[in-house]
Amino acid sequence: GQQLNQSPQSMFIQEGEDVSMNCTSSSIFNTWLWYKQDPGEGPVLLIALYKAGELTSNGRLTAQFGITRKDSFLNISASIPSDVGIYFCAGQASGTYKYIFGTGTRLKVLA
Amino acid sequence: AAGVIQSPRHLIKEKRETATLKCYPIPRHDTVYWYQQGPGQDPQFLISFYEKMQSDKGSIPDRFSAQQFSDYHSELNMSSLELGDSALYFCASSLRGDSPLHFGNGTRLTVT
Repeated sequence: GQQLNQSPQSMFIQEGEDVSMNCTSSSIFNTWLWYKQDPGEGPVLLIALYKAGELTSNGRLTAQFGITRKDSFLNISASIPSDVGIYFCAGQASGTYKYIFGTGTRLKVLA
Repeated sequence: AAGVIQSPRHLIKEKRETATLKCYPIPRHDTVYWYQQGPGQDPQFLISFYEKMQSDKGSIPDRFSAQQFSDYHSELNMSSLELGDSALYFCASSLRGDSPLHFGNGTRLTVT
């Protein structure tokens, strides 16, 4: 079945540093979504991408839809302590309703 | 803004019992998704409904069933519960199935 490989699996960074994470797939996706999840809570949508090559920002967050449609990345600039959490990518293939989630990147920010 | 409402927030059941989880989507959203998330795992797609019809099916056990009602709310019915069913169950909704998913805060099911 479809799999989304997300890397890195975890990151420890200093406050103020930039962060980059990515998702890759063996399949083509039509939509990429990026979520942040806090412990015991539901994932919160950060950015949605709909076209190959699309680059979208949301405050300090920037995400891009890869040209091959098989990957996406998320950058966080000038990280702050509240950025701590698990970041998930999710992809939706053509002709399907379901979104497949990546394995998650656990981010810890050291003040 | 109104969000996805799930109930109950927590549920404790014994093995072989049944459980029903409810989901109320964001107003005007016509598509509902159910996901299961084990400890330290990513959300796993179970099933989705669009306009009250099943639209996609994932790794949902045969012991589970779900439906979407005329008011677009959805229920996930789980029977013959097993210890391995303990997890967070999330519902998400979207408009037409091609817009982003918005998640509820989940139901934490513990099977003892």
